[in-house]
Amino acid sequence: RKEVEQDPGPFNVPEGATVAFNCTYSNSASQSFFWYRQDCRKEPKLLMSVYSSGNEDGRFTAQLNRASQYISLLIRDSKLSDSATYLCVVKRAGTALIFGKGTTLSVSS
Amino acid sequence: NAGVTQTPKFRVLKTGQSMTLLCAQDMNHEYMYWYRQDPGMGLRLIHYSVGEGTTAKGEVPDGYNVSRLKKQNFLLGLESAAPSQTSVYFCASSRLAVDPNEQFFGPGTRLTVL
Repeated sequence: RKEVEQDPGPFNVPEGATVAFNCTYSNSASQSFFWYRQDCRKEPKLLMSVYSSGNEDGRFTAQLNRASQYISLLIRDSKLSDSATYLCVVKRAGTALIFGKGTTLSVSS
Repeated sequence: NAGVTQTPKFRVLKTGQSMTLLCAQDMNHEYMYWYRQDPGMGLRLIHYSVGEGTTAKGEVPDGYNVSRLKKQNFLLGLESAAPSQTSVYFCASSRLAVDPNEQFFGPGTRLTVL
């Protein structure tokens, strides 16, 4: 079983839609959690960190459930510019980041 | 600041040839990483370095070697390229022991081995 698993999608949604991505991780020792965004043929960039209390950045909301080892990303009022691949990432102490395979989002007008 | 840069951007090799990929960062970051990204596989860590003169193996180190002679540079070498090493290679860097330990990525090197 991969340490970080995501639904690869693609998710095809119209502009203005709300879309949610889920991610599960297998190692309970994971300490830090992130969502990265990767545009087509570009490098990954940090979208947001994920905190136990949940956190929001504009239209983006991230949630963490340590008991279920589950991370989510909610995007409200989707824009065309949100089209990208979203990578779920976890980190255990003393290790490098572990990336999920990514979930592809396509927002259409 | 240029951030993280990678050289070259594209390369085609024949099986058995060697090459070195160069990564440079101007952010004074301690940590540097080399990943490869293949369709359906996600990003996989090849090697990483926690400081000048130190390197460590990642998830998929076989067939690659690295060196970190200067803090700002991290080199990835392929001694005898194989078609299985066709991939997009990303270098990244991060500050030492900082939460959330954001990694900054370079633009990638697209390598094809024939």
